Amino acid sequence: KAGVTQTPRYLIKTRGQQVTLSCSPISGHRSVSWYQQTPGQGLQFLFEYFSETQRNKGNFPGRFSGRQFSNSRSEMNVSTLELGDSALYLCASSPGHPGGELFFGEGSRLTVL
Amino acid sequence: AQRVTQPEKLLSVFKGAPVELKCNYSYSGSPELFWYVQYSRQRLQLLLRHISRESIKGFTADLNKGETSFHLKKPFAQEEDSAMYYCALSNNNAGNMLTFGGGTRLMVKP
Repeated sequence: KAGVTQTPRYLIKTRGQQVTLSCSPISGHRSVSWYQQTPGQGLQFLFEYFSETQRNKGNFPGRFSGRQFSNSRSEMNVSTLELGDSALYLCASSPGHPGGELFFGEGSRLTVL
Repeated sequence: AQRVTQPEKLLSVFKGAPVELKCNYSYSGSPELFWYVQYSRQRLQLLLRHISRESIKGFTADLNKGETSFHLKKPFAQEEDSAMYYCALSNNNAGNMLTFGGGTRLMVKP
């Protein structure tokens, strides 16, 4: 099976812009989660989608949003970018049952200038 | 609120020495604990989970509810064990939301 695929892998934006990141899960997986990884805060949970519905949400401002499509592919969007949004954004998929193993993508590295 | 603490950012040992990566958690319910590992230039991947009670690559981890710990152990470290290790906690009732510790970088010297 193909692994979790994230696009783009690298991107540079300026403050105030918005960005959309994409994640294609492993075939058959219905849950997609997003995490932000920074040197200072480590890995922090953003949100999880299951069957096109947001199942869990972390403590991030409303500028961070996401969605999931009927084919389980997911996108996350960050509006009005701030310098502190510079991070590696990781997507993970799983079959969907709670507490299951997460399969991670390689991440999208966002730099905000 | 749930929290995972890994007190050591870096752990350096010689090949063949025992290894113990510490993990402490705080959670009011019945948690599910995991260890994830990231080898150089590879993706973050599951190493083991407490519920399976198995040994993976010689590593074991026992959940100690009294001490709220889930330390990762290996009796004889190998150079290929060098990696970043993350302890993580999941609330089974909340889907697949993981709370990660800050991670410990393990360096195994020859």
